[in-house]
Amino acid sequence: DQQVKQNSPSLSVQEGRISILNCDYTNSMFDYFLWYKKYPAEGPTFLISISSIKDKNEDGRFTVFLNKSAKHLSLHIVPSQPGDSAVYFCAARNYGGSQGNLIFGKGTKLSVKP
Amino acid sequence: DGGITQSPKYLFRKEGQNVTLSCEQNLNHDAMYWYRQDPGQGLRLIYYSQIVNDFQKGDIAEGYSVSREKKESFPLTVTSAQKNPTAFYLCASNLQRGDNEQFFGPGTRLTVL
Repeated sequence: DQQVKQNSPSLSVQEGRISILNCDYTNSMFDYFLWYKKYPAEGPTFLISISSIKDKNEDGRFTVFLNKSAKHLSLHIVPSQPGDSAVYFCAARNYGGSQGNLIFGKGTKLSVKP
Repeated sequence: DGGITQSPKYLFRKEGQNVTLSCEQNLNHDAMYWYRQDPGQGLRLIYYSQIVNDFQKGDIAEGYSVSREKKESFPLTVTSAQKNPTAFYLCASNLQRGDNEQFFGPGTRLTVL
């Protein structure tokens, strides 16, 4: 059973518009959430994160929103740029979990068209 | 400058052969991880190690083995028992398990012919 779900495999957005990537989770024990960006044939790079005690974190063009009651988080990219085209992974941490500390969603491929 | 290196970038092997993927880090991190990525799939945890000479199975450890003899190195062996070994393999590390962020290497694309 997937504990972290990214239900949209792909998203296409026009340059300059807003990109919204969504992520849902099932485990209420997750205490920290991260977004990673990944280009083909490269390792993921950390983008932005949010603690479960917050509902918003902003870093430049990137904002992550967390709705704990809905077990939902989203990544907003404003304005979107062609260089943002990549696969975005949502990840969640269960600090007390027995496995490795991050659980990843399947990713959403973002395409930003000029 | 510090980072995680994985070599080689691309690796080809014949079916039935064992192959070892290298992962080295000079970040002085205690925890290291191996993930596998398949098309349309997220990153799935193969093995992780919190400290030298200790490692734990992840979600898909069958057909894989690891060692952690040095803090900087966490090699992954893909054995002939792994039924679908062709994939993109990613190594990651963080200071200690439970830290917020994991840092990833560039990955190794393994193709078994």
